[in-house]
Amino acid sequence: SAVISQKPSRDICQRGTSLTIQCQVDSQVTMMFWYRQQPGQSLTLIATANQGSEATYESGFVIDKFPISRPNLTFSTLTVSNMSPEDSSIYLCSVGAGPYEQYFGPGTRLTVT
Amino acid sequence: GENVEQHPSTLSVQEGDSAVIKCTYSDSASNYFPWYKQELGKGPQLIIDIRSNVGEKKDQRIAVTLNKTAKHFSLHITETQPEDSAVYFCAARSQGNLIFGKGTKLSVKP
Repeated sequence: SAVISQKPSRDICQRGTSLTIQCQVDSQVTMMFWYRQQPGQSLTLIATANQGSEATYESGFVIDKFPISRPNLTFSTLTVSNMSPEDSSIYLCSVGAGPYEQYFGPGTRLTVT
Repeated sequence: GENVEQHPSTLSVQEGDSAVIKCTYSDSASNYFPWYKQELGKGPQLIIDIRSNVGEKKDQRIAVTLNKTAKHFSLHITETQPEDSAVYFCAARSQGNLIFGKGTKLSVKP
């Protein structure tokens, strides 16, 4: 399995500001994903971060709100832009290992006031 | 698209008893079914998975069964311990992406 770290682990932000979340993996991986988990809810895929090309966003998520970078095979960032209280969630980085397995980072707990 | 339903939403068992969580999926093309355990304040941890060419898989106290015809799969935990208390998510891989169930909060009472 891959070891995944995220920074920050948690943050409290004011509405209208932006936060960039970093995801670092201990090995090179092809597939990296960003998920959102609202309080007490399941996991929802925001986008797939592709190295060397633009991220692929799921329905309901747009690049202007959640810009993603993937500069290399071990690192990605997700920015939550122009935040509102509705963006308060856990944001999870995930990586694919082989054709099937997928592992998750510890998450970033975001509160927007 | 794929839809995954998970039951029950909460489950309380006595330590030492067995726990069973069930999921159904809609896309017959789904071919991979993982289970994740999420403890409070942590990210989901992959605990066991099964591929569509296998009917059952076991790892110590946990097992997963898959019925492709009925399109359902189940997680079985035997001899439950307090440290098994967590939220468990099932998922199905359809067209490359994992689709998750809504989760089951398992409480194991000592």
